[in-house]
Amino acid sequence: NAGVMQNPRHLVRRRGQEARLRCSPMKGHSHVYWYRQLPEEGLKFMVYLQKENIIDESGMPKERFSAEFPKEGPSILRIQQVVRGDSAAYFCASSSRGRDVSGELFFGEGSRLTVL
Amino acid sequence: AQSVAQPEDQVNVAEGNPLTVKCTYSVSGNPYLFWYVQYPNRGLQFLLKYITGDNLVKGSYGFEAEFNKSQTSFHLKKPSALVSDSALYFCAVRDGDRGSTLGRLYFGRGTQLTVWP
Repeated sequence: NAGVMQNPRHLVRRRGQEARLRCSPMKGHSHVYWYRQLPEEGLKFMVYLQKENIIDESGMPKERFSAEFPKEGPSILRIQQVVRGDSAAYFCASSSRGRDVSGELFFGEGSRLTVL
Repeated sequence: AQSVAQPEDQVNVAEGNPLTVKCTYSVSGNPYLFWYVQYPNRGLQFLLKYITGDNLVKGSYGFEAEFNKSQTSFHLKKPSALVSDSALYFCAVRDGDRGSTLGRLYFGRGTQLTVWP
């Protein structure tokens, strides 16, 4: 009964490199959310995806960031040309019915990105 | 706009004493409210939620929360704190009436709870 799986747990990149974070939702879940947690701050919504669709990307920075959730395989959050300000913990969450507002989200352990 | 405020960055209590972690919210429609707990270097774990019905909600690990519509609050409580309760607690809200943001949770900044032995 695996939960939400994220990898890598820790990622170190130099400025200008690319970071790819992966998230496999809980079994049976088709709705994925990405959140970013900066030091001393709460969680900020980034993007909400269903299989092959981006539902809400209003929290995504306009440049360098992209997300996908293909028909097969994990959801991927991609950060191009990373800068030091991208250093944060990135959390993925999933739910079985995204539009069921009564449902809680199930979170992964997070991917901690450090940009040198 | 939807938002959550956790007015205390830190709460310190002695083991065995009651604890309260405060949360107030703002939504334009019906509020659906959640509490999560985060241990160091871990993900968020669901504690409890209020959707409808009884204003007092019971959750995991002996925690409970009281929904107060007039005060737009959803404070987390526990009658007797344990050292193992020390963690970061997040309140979150979802606006049940906004179709464009269905599914999205808005989180507070978090409150660090420390329980002293």
